[in-house]
Amino acid sequence: QAVVTQEPSLTVSPGGTVTLTCGSSTGAVTSGHYPYWFQQKPGQAPRTLIYDTNSRHSWTPARFSGSLLGGKAALTLSGAQPEDEAEYYCLLSYRGPWVFGGGTKLTVL
Amino acid sequence: QEQLVESGGGVVQPGRSLRLSCVASGFTFRSYGMHWVRQAPGKGLEWVALISNDRSEKYYADSVKGRFTISRDNSKNTLYLQMDSLRADDTAVYYCAKDGLDSWGQGTLVTVSS
Repeated sequence: QAVVTQEPSLTVSPGGTVTLTCGSSTGAVTSGHYPYWFQQKPGQAPRTLIYDTNSRHSWTPARFSGSLLGGKAALTLSGAQPEDEAEYYCLLSYRGPWVFGGGTKLTVL
Repeated sequence: QEQLVESGGGVVQPGRSLRLSCVASGFTFRSYGMHWVRQAPGKGLEWVALISNDRSEKYYADSVKGRFTISRDNSKNTLYLQMDSLRADDTAVYYCAKDGLDSWGQGTLVTVSS
């Protein structure tokens, strides 16, 4: 089973920009992995922010965007807000099974 | 409004079995694949299993393959997870989610302990 890697923690200043990445042990992440990004706050179920690399749901703030960057999936937050402090997970498809990354704890400080 | 409600969690001894259920409403259940995802206390999310809308395809994480079985009853709008040979490291909140992962239940806690 593949291993999906994320930065364990990142810090961003209010109003600042930060990029979270998601790599795969099998090689470059492509659109064929259908990358997803989730936000989870303590005591809550995860909420999907981005699907299929760069598609937003109706509830996803426009300050979140998804892309492929240097062989990885990326989630960029532009104009961080205090309420964006949370754990962020990526999820990749491997043509059947899916694998989550270990999560990135994002601090807005 | 789409809703997923899990049930069946509880405390179980190692080696025993448990079956989780997830009742769906607010969408055409038979048209969507369904996932199970779990989260151990204080840990990250772990994808567990996926079943296609017509039950023809099933996929599992290596950590549960051969022990867990995903199934569904489209006439009852219900998803199941049969968990056998449970181990302490199966202790987690188990979530069901609709394919596309835009709808999640609130989870049911499974604790494997003697």
